[in-house]
Amino acid sequence: DQQVKQNSPSLSVQEGRISILNCDYTNSMFDYFLWYKKYPAEGPTFLISISSIKDKNEDGRFTVFLNKSAKHLSLHIVPSQPGDSAVYFCAATPTSGTYKYIFGTGTRLKVLA
Amino acid sequence: NAGVTQTPKFRILKIGQSMTLQCTQDMNHNYMYWYRQDPGMGLKLIYYSVGAGITDKGEVPNGYNVSRSTTEDFPLRLELAAPSQTSVYFCASSTRTVWNTEAFFGQGTRLTVV
Repeated sequence: DQQVKQNSPSLSVQEGRISILNCDYTNSMFDYFLWYKKYPAEGPTFLISISSIKDKNEDGRFTVFLNKSAKHLSLHIVPSQPGDSAVYFCAATPTSGTYKYIFGTGTRLKVLA
Repeated sequence: NAGVTQTPKFRILKIGQSMTLQCTQDMNHNYMYWYRQDPGMGLKLIYYSVGAGITDKGEVPNGYNVSRSTTEDFPLRLELAAPSQTSVYFCASSTRTVWNTEAFFGQGTRLTVV
């Protein structure tokens, strides 16, 4: 039972354009959502997060949007740069109770120069 | 600033052998986690701990054991290694305050069981 889903295994985008990565979740108990970036042979690194009390959070070129009614979130990267090429994981967690982070399967982003 | 440190980085085990993957963090985080990453399968939670002396199962705990005797250390034990345990293992920690809920990950341990 995949509680956090990233349905696009890969995405290619031209440098300077917008990258949009999508994530869906099924568990209504999740109220905090995170995006992680992972380069080969490294551990995931935190990128940006959003609480369920918000519908948007921005940090520089990265913006995360949350649609609670649709149980959907997306990460926008504008403008995309070649250094953004990595695997991006969406994660979800409740802020009370079990404290587990549940991850999606990841989307491999390739930004073409 | 060490953060989360995992050892070893690589290991090859024979079927039936056992080993302990070490994880230590220097951020005084209460919460610690073990994940495995299989190709195309994302990160699956093996075990987690909310504090010293307290551990609980995650999504894929079979074949593993953990202990948490100190805040800093959270070792993962593999008994009777099987080829299905070939994976990359990540340890993570977090503090889980209202304003700071992200988990910090180690560099990973690549384990091959042959």
